[in-house]
Amino acid sequence: GQQVMQIPQYQHVQEGEDFTTYCNSSTTLSNIQWYKQRPGGHPVFLIQLVKSGEVKKQKRLTFQFGEAKKNSSLHITATQTTDVGTYFCAGLKAGGTSYGKLTFGQGTILTVHP
Amino acid sequence: NAGVTQTPKFQVLKTGQSMTLQCAQDMNHEYMSWYRQDPGMGLRLIHYSVGAGITDQGEVPNGYNVSRSTTEDFPLRLLSAAPSQTSVYFCASRGQGLVPQYFGPGTRLLVL
Repeated sequence: GQQVMQIPQYQHVQEGEDFTTYCNSSTTLSNIQWYKQRPGGHPVFLIQLVKSGEVKKQKRLTFQFGEAKKNSSLHITATQTTDVGTYFCAGLKAGGTSYGKLTFGQGTILTVHP
Repeated sequence: NAGVTQTPKFQVLKTGQSMTLQCAQDMNHEYMSWYRQDPGMGLRLIHYSVGAGITDQGEVPNGYNVSRSTTEDFPLRLLSAAPSQTSVYFCASRGQGLVPQYFGPGTRLLVL
């Protein structure tokens, strides 16, 4: 079945350092979504990428979707303590139905030391 | 809109007890799903539904039942609770197409 691998599992950074998490799918995706889960909270949708090679930015966050639509990355510039949490990627398998199961990566837990 | 709501927020059960975790959404979403989250394990799909009357198994369905009699509600039943079912449970919903998924606040379950 479809698998989405996400690395690293954990990342500890000093405030002000950059952070990147990577997502790799075993199959071509229709889309890639990114979610953030604050400690003790629930996952919250951040953004969706659909086009091959697409790049989107949200303030200090940059999201990329690979040319082959099988990988993605989230990069945070100059981390802040408010960035702490778990970041998940998720995607729908290309060619499947729009009701297909959204497959999640295992998540990257980010801690930021002030 | 309330979005996705879950009850209860916390629950303690004894081994062998049964219970139902409630989930409701008011966004008229056809797709609903249940996940469990354990430390270091990410989000694992238990069951999902693509519409009223239609349910299917996810990757960890054993010990859980679901039903979908209405678009709004998607309860998760634990038939005979086991300590291995201690976890945080999230319900989620989304509409058709390439759209965001919305999560409920979660239910923290402890099975003794």
